[in-house]
Amino acid sequence: GAVVSQHPSRVICKSGTSVKIECRSLDFQATTMFWYRQFPKQSLMLMATSNEGSKATYEQGVEKDKFLINHASLTLSTLTVTSAHPEDSSFYICSAQRTVQSNQPQHFGDGTRLSIL
Amino acid sequence: AQTVTQSQPEMSVQEAETVTLSCTYDTSESDYYLFWYKQPPSRQMILVIRQEAYKQQNATENRFSVNFQKAAKSFSLKISDSQLGDAAMYFCAYRGNAGGTSYGKLTFGQGTILTVHP
Repeated sequence: GAVVSQHPSRVICKSGTSVKIECRSLDFQATTMFWYRQFPKQSLMLMATSNEGSKATYEQGVEKDKFLINHASLTLSTLTVTSAHPEDSSFYICSAQRTVQSNQPQHFGDGTRLSIL
Repeated sequence: AQTVTQSQPEMSVQEAETVTLSCTYDTSESDYYLFWYKQPPSRQMILVIRQEAYKQQNATENRFSVNFQKAAKSFSLKISDSQLGDAAMYFCAYRGNAGGTSYGKLTFGQGTILTVHP
């Protein structure tokens, strides 16, 4: 149980386009979802926290107009990278948990490798 | 703010041997969770073990065990009888449980790449 699906797993697109990444909790309802960014052989850096029905909370230094997060239902959160540029190329991972409580386990998606040409 | 430090960028171990990965953290909170995650080349994040700060007993999961030293803010992972499938990047992570802006968020260390030699 507790499966999180992330789509697409890999995307390559031209500079200037917008890219949407989906994060779905398949067998549970997720009140809270997190979006992380990971550069090769580096750590996961939290970008934002989204709670269903609320605006996402962004970490310091993350441009909210650049990385649009929507969490409109209890099973789906989306991350849209707007007007993507080569420096946005990275590995993006989402995680989901049933409630906002800290004792709830975070279940991770398999990640999306984004390459901007 | 909480910080997590893994001072070993890379470690290696012979198959069937034991290896210990180090992790230290800094926090002013007394109530929190600590985790070790494994990230194989597939990039999937796999939870290895979890420790609750209020529990003095060290967590164990089969071949994986931790040495949790709360006063020293140290949380090392011991892998016994290492297997080829243990090769991965290992991340130590902290999660606060005391409210505030860090509540519920995972803070990861830099990671340690573990190589297992046959």
